[in-house]
Amino acid sequence: AQSVTQLDSHVSVSEGTPVLLRCNYSSSYSPSLFWYVQHPNKGLQLLLKYTSAATLVKGINGFEAEFKKSETSFHLTKPSAHMSDAAEYFCVVSDREAAGNKLTFGGGTRVLVKP
Amino acid sequence: KAGVTQTPRYLIKTRGQQVTLSCSPISGHRSVSWYQQTPGQGLQFLFEYFSETQRNKGNFPGRFSGRQFSNSRSEMNVSTLELGDSALYLCASSLRGFIQLETHNEQFFGPGTRLTVL
Repeated sequence: AQSVTQLDSHVSVSEGTPVLLRCNYSSSYSPSLFWYVQHPNKGLQLLLKYTSAATLVKGINGFEAEFKKSETSFHLTKPSAHMSDAAEYFCVVSDREAAGNKLTFGGGTRVLVKP
Repeated sequence: KAGVTQTPRYLIKTRGQQVTLSCSPISGHRSVSWYQQTPGQGLQFLFEYFSETQRNKGNFPGRFSGRQFSNSRSEMNVSTLELGDSALYLCASSLRGFIQLETHNEQFFGPGTRLTVL
């Protein structure tokens, strides 16, 4: 069975400082990993995805994540936070051997950006 | 290209009633998945449909059901509503069914239907 643990439920950063959102996963097979962002009263938007190509994945809006198999981690980073980054972020895993589109979500990390 | 649309956006029901939610995927997408989002349980997978067939199902009681039509539109139904069914129900569509085989396959989410059960 697959599972995802987001290590911080809330993260507070100042505008212009780096952002780090931590994610650990558990998967029986070779996983695909994703980060989604959800702004208030909006749907989920894909930030980036890892599907066994490069281990350092670049996404939209300056975000990137590094897949580390030995640590079963997929942490999300951004060098400089912007006010518009305030949102909830979800780390997501999909087992690559399982049929279909079942995604397993982490508990989410709510990001607050202070001016 | 229009995104995933969900109707209605908001619903208020009372315990014991039933409800039907609708999802229209992005044109050309054949896979539709449903998720429930609550503050306590987070985002949980309900089920997935591909070519009118349910292919995956999450750990929800039989009161939760769904279907997909030949035009890929999907509906989910919740019967005998309980207070705990209050949630944001999200629908997602993707181009093809086997996400792990497609490096560019991803799920696109709609804005959700917020269901309140009184």
